[in-house]
Amino acid sequence: NAGVTQTPKFQVLKTGQSMTLQCAQDMNHNSMYWYRQDPGMGLRLIYYSASEGTTDKGEVPNGYNVSRLNKREFSLRLESAAPSQTSVYFCASSERINYGYTFGSGTRLTVV
Amino acid sequence: GQQVMQIPQYQHVQEGEDFTTYCNSSTTLSNIQWYKQRPGGHPVFLIQLVKSGEVKKQKRLTFQFGEAKKNSSLHITATQTTDVGTYFCAGPYRDDMRFGAGTRLTVKP
Repeated sequence: NAGVTQTPKFQVLKTGQSMTLQCAQDMNHNSMYWYRQDPGMGLRLIYYSASEGTTDKGEVPNGYNVSRLNKREFSLRLESAAPSQTSVYFCASSERINYGYTFGSGTRLTVV
Repeated sequence: GQQVMQIPQYQHVQEGEDFTTYCNSSTTLSNIQWYKQRPGGHPVFLIQLVKSGEVKKQKRLTFQFGEAKKNSSLHITATQTTDVGTYFCAGPYRDDMRFGAGTRLTVKP
């Protein structure tokens, strides 16, 4: 029972570099989400995929892109990293929209 | 912006004292969810409330959903050091859930 698996767990990038955060769930959930968490800001939604084949912007989508590769996998890409993107990124999934979320263990990203 | 507001932002209690965090929305919510995040960890789903006036209990935790479905509370009786963490409420917004800023609970043994 792996649940939601995120890779990598830690990453340091230089400004302008690109990278992709990977997320996979093994619970046959339909919906998947990417959040970022900054001190005092709670969890803010970046992008989500309500079902396989669809993606939509959340509260803070600028500077990010996503791909719902299949039902299991939902990746987040930073095309040109900026220091403002230093954060902890969480992937989550749910059986369907408005159901309880299962979160991954997070990726701690630092952009220098 | 955030759809739900949480208070207080921080709460420090002595072990054995009670703790309550509140969640408020300006609009009626179809449901509300509660999560716990331990320091350095990830949010873990605790419960979902759907009905007006609903009250649910999980051991020492009591969750309430207001009659107007615009507010909710989480009450912990006789806190323990294992209760340390940040408690978040989340309300639906279109196809996703929007989280409050959380209440960070610290417990002094």
